[in-house]
Amino acid sequence: DQQVKQNSPSLSVQEGRISILNCDYTNSMFDYFLWYKKYPAEGPTFLISISSIKDKNEDGRFTVFLNKSAKHLSLHIVPSQPGDSAVYFCAASRTLIQGAQKLVFGQGTRLTINP
Amino acid sequence: SAVISQKPSRDICQRGTSLTIQCQVDSQVTMMFWYRQQPGQSLTLIATANQGSEATYESGFVIDKFPISRPNLTFSTLTVSNMSPEDSSIYLCSVEDKVDRSWLAGYEQFFGPGTRLTVL
Repeated sequence: DQQVKQNSPSLSVQEGRISILNCDYTNSMFDYFLWYKKYPAEGPTFLISISSIKDKNEDGRFTVFLNKSAKHLSLHIVPSQPGDSAVYFCAASRTLIQGAQKLVFGQGTRLTINP
Repeated sequence: SAVISQKPSRDICQRGTSLTIQCQVDSQVTMMFWYRQQPGQSLTLIATANQGSEATYESGFVIDKFPISRPNLTFSTLTVSNMSPEDSSIYLCSVEDKVDRSWLAGYEQFFGPGTRLTVL
């Protein structure tokens, strides 16, 4: 049972335009969501996160939107740059007062920015 | 943010052998995690390792196959035992850390560079 889904395995965007990466989840207990970027031969790098009390978070060129009713989140990158070409993973978690915050990852979307 | 290193970065092993992967963090952390990323797949949590206690394994993963050590707050090892070609994956360790950012009320996990394992 795939609790976090990224239905687009790949996305190609022209440099300077907006990149929109989508993620859906099925577990209504998830209340914290993260986006990671991964280059080949490197570990995932944290990009941005959002808790379920918000519907939007911005950090520079990156904005994450959360639609709880639709169990959907998206990552917007504006403007897209060649260095943004990487695999992007969506992850979700249920916040615990104690214990480990276990992340459930989507399958990833390979973003290619074309010059 | 925590800086994490892993050894080895990659290895090619024979079926039936075992490999121990090391994870070193530059600061003391309570929670360490081990993930697996099979080819073309997502990252899957294998187990959570706390210092001074037994690791907690996720469904589908058992201690006999993936024994974990956590001798102190900066180090952990994962052993892949009695390997088969199906164990060919990237194995990653991560740590949980707090980040001092005004808009971030939660946490994030930092990942090591991963160990690429190929089993023949």
